[in-house]
Amino acid sequence: EDQVTQSPEALRLQEGESSSLNCSYTVSGLRGLFWYRQDPGKGPEFLFTLYSAGEEKEKERLKATLTKKESFLHITAPKPEDSATYLCAVQANSGGGADGLTFGKGTHLIIQP
Amino acid sequence: ETGVTQTPRHLVMGMTNKKSLKCEQHLGHNAMYWYKQSAKKPLELMFVYNFKEQTENNSVPSRFSPECPNSSHLFLHLHTLQPEDSALYLCASSQAINQPQHFGDGTRLSIL
Repeated sequence: EDQVTQSPEALRLQEGESSSLNCSYTVSGLRGLFWYRQDPGKGPEFLFTLYSAGEEKEKERLKATLTKKESFLHITAPKPEDSATYLCAVQANSGGGADGLTFGKGTHLIIQP
Repeated sequence: ETGVTQTPRHLVMGMTNKKSLKCEQHLGHNAMYWYKQSAKKPLELMFVYNFKEQTENNSVPSRFSPECPNSSHLFLHLHTLQPEDSALYLCASSQAINQPQHFGDGTRLSIL
């Protein structure tokens, strides 16, 4: 069974204080790992897809990296508007449930001015 | 504007009612999905449709009945729901099964 564990569950940072969110996964053959951002009352907003170990993607203050067991979402010099819940999800290569995503519970990030 | 529109945004229904949730995507995608998001739990996949054909039913109770008349529209028909079915129901679409999924803002469902 595919599993995704995100840590920490919640994180409070000062504006400008860089940090990293962790996503550990077990999957029967990784098709892709996805990062999403979810604001209150909204659906998840797609951020990145990573397909193979060693791959990195960047977007503004966010950088996602992938190893064979985990992914990190690095946040550099965050601003209050980066406050949100960040979700990690995996998609397996084959087998039951392969077409959908398996999500973690998310990291609730708060950036204080 | 996400390109995936869900209606209604909020729905309150009794356990004996019948209602439907609607999802429409304006992105030209070929795959559509239903997910359930409950408090303190991860998003749970419910159904997957690829080119209008259902490819996954993730052991969802029969009181939830999906319908995909074309690649742009997806419905979730509800009947005889239980209080534990109260949740946020999210629709998503993707260009292909292995491409990023784009979500709507969901329907907040409350069962009395």
